[in-house]
Amino acid sequence: DTGVSQNPRHKITKRGQNVTFRCDPISEHNRLYWYRQTLGQGPEFLTYFQNEAQLEKSRLLSDRFSAERPKGSFSTLEIQRTEQGDSAMYLCASSLVSGAGEQFFGPGTRLTVL
Amino acid sequence: AQKVTQAQTEISVVEKEDVTLDCVYETRDTTYYLFWYKQPPSGELVFLIRRNSFDEQNEISGRYSWNFQKSTSSFNFTITASQVVDSAVYFCARQGAQKLVFGQGTRLTINP
Repeated sequence: DTGVSQNPRHKITKRGQNVTFRCDPISEHNRLYWYRQTLGQGPEFLTYFQNEAQLEKSRLLSDRFSAERPKGSFSTLEIQRTEQGDSAMYLCASSLVSGAGEQFFGPGTRLTVL
Repeated sequence: AQKVTQAQTEISVVEKEDVTLDCVYETRDTTYYLFWYKQPPSGELVFLIRRNSFDEQNEISGRYSWNFQKSTSSFNFTITASQVVDSAVYFCARQGAQKLVFGQGTRLTINP
């Protein structure tokens, strides 16, 4: 399968713990995006990379959140000192740098903070 | 904020009925792209269509059709002869810079 993959698919953690999610984009895609989706809402943009450079971060991305894409391939999203309000689906998408470039989404990582 | 509004939170119809999902967007850009995505119960967002702001031609793909009206900032989606498998949450989105701005989604239920 050559689609976007995300791991883990589900994560349950206790408040205050750190969690890290991984996203593997479609191999030739040089743009990678992170979104967050809470229940009953549309996805909200968090950040995006072009190759290894992080080009934009949303105000939603507090200091407890950090994202990396060290070699321009896979990306990780870390949340430190998790809070119950961080419970959400974290979606990764990738696209080509051409025109608008359709963003293709992965299956998401569902985070539950107890 | 340049919002995307999907006024219909939930729609429920009987199979084989036609159904239209509404989308209204705000933008100050002259060039932009509009999208529709489908999110079935499995959760993965599935790309359906992208439209360029310069192309107001309506598009038809099988049972799906899209009506883009730049004058009213609307990009509506119609499913003809709906089927149970069409049941999902549908999101309209506008591409601003590189990121997508999504509406809140319309939950569509097709009853047999």
